[in-house]
Amino acid sequence: EAGVAQSPRYKIIEKRQSVAFWCNPISGHATLYWYQQILGQGPKLLIQFQNNGVVDDSQLPKDRFSAERLKGVDSTLKIQPAKLEDSAVYLCASSLGVGQGQTQYFGPGTRLLVL
Amino acid sequence: AQSVSQHNHHVILSEAASLELGCNYSYGGTVNLFWYVQYPGQHLQLLLKYFSGDPLVKGIKGFEAEFIKSKFSFNLRKPSVQWSDTAEYFCAVNQGGTNAGKSTFGDGTTLTVKP
Repeated sequence: EAGVAQSPRYKIIEKRQSVAFWCNPISGHATLYWYQQILGQGPKLLIQFQNNGVVDDSQLPKDRFSAERLKGVDSTLKIQPAKLEDSAVYLCASSLGVGQGQTQYFGPGTRLLVL
Repeated sequence: AQSVSQHNHHVILSEAASLELGCNYSYGGTVNLFWYVQYPGQHLQLLLKYFSGDPLVKGIKGFEAEFIKSKFSFNLRKPSVQWSDTAEYFCAVNQGGTNAGKSTFGDGTTLTVKP
């Protein structure tokens, strides 16, 4: 079974530039998550999709971050414009659903450095 | 907002030593509890989970965790660690019900096992 795919793996940009990340979840997984993991901290949920609808985006900085999941499969996360404090690893995860105990499967992450 | 505390940021043990990593959470309602592990150069992956039933949960590679509701704790244990257990360990909590799937992670514990 193929895992969660993410690209790019690494990205270096200057502040005020824009950047986009792509995620392809495990086939058949209805729920998709984007997390931000700052060095030395645990992953923080940015947004959660159920199929192509948003379940939770309460921690997404909506003035600069946006995400979409067209057709309920792939997803993109965009930052525009980027700030220095956005330097982090952006993790995508997927699960079958949101029922109790649903295991999340994580991708390798995209490491973003904002200069 | 719920929070998750992992008390030990870095633990160093010799092979065959016993391990216990602490995890406490703040939410008082129904919870699902997880331990994830990230081996060097690999993705985050599930070690074990609890969502109901026997509060003593067994996971992969000889790990176990005990849910103590009265203490809001879900500590991870292994009786005898191996060098290959060197990794970062994250505790995560989902609230049950409509927010099931929205995970809050602790900041992780880095375990180094000396051969």
